[in-house]
Amino acid sequence: DTEVTQTPKHLVMGMTNKKSLKCEQHMGHRAMYWYKQKAKKPPELMFVYSYEKLSINESVPSRFSPECPNSSLLNLHLHALQPEDSALYLCASSPIRTSGTDTQYFGPGTRLTVL
Amino acid sequence: RKEVEQDPGPFNVPEGATVAFNCTYSNSASQSFFWYRQDCRKEPKLLMSVYSSGNEDGRFTAQLNRASQYISLLIRDSKLSDSATYLCVSGGGYNKLIFGAGTRLAVHP
Repeated sequence: DTEVTQTPKHLVMGMTNKKSLKCEQHMGHRAMYWYKQKAKKPPELMFVYSYEKLSINESVPSRFSPECPNSSLLNLHLHALQPEDSALYLCASSPIRTSGTDTQYFGPGTRLTVL
Repeated sequence: RKEVEQDPGPFNVPEGATVAFNCTYSNSASQSFFWYRQDCRKEPKLLMSVYSSGNEDGRFTAQLNRASQYISLLIRDSKLSDSATYLCVSGGGYNKLIFGAGTRLAVHP
């Protein structure tokens, strides 16, 4: 099973709302990722969790707050977002290699619209 | 200079054509390379990993030239269903993937 699931599929929120995006994988992968993708652009890395610990934060604004409750789950908490944050948010997971970089498997994404 | 560069296209080809995409990468220390395919409004999906010896999967052939820091993808006998954006990706270390901007392919009848 190479499936990563994400909920919700679509989300519309106001700038004062608080919402959360959820991601789950059962492939035993110990690395999980959040990406942001704008139209006609490649995915842009936001956060990396390795062994449930935050290992990379690509200078993401604090209105995005990641959380990794266990090795299968990854959340992204959203608060006070701006309209320019509207995008497709992709979760991915991968095994962890000691050298090189392994294949990442992506979830279907959450399409976020901020009004 | 971008870390991974590829021609954005679009490549418009008829069914049955052979099409080749090229990509260059700047980090000579990169050890892992991939081609992902992304359909409109969908997530990227792994098409194939790319090895120094070259690898083939059906109609798709990927090549890596480490000396020139160049990766290619060849699609033979194009199908309508091959229409998508093809993302060239290098491993950036620390479990990071570095994505090219993508090359759009449109296969027409």
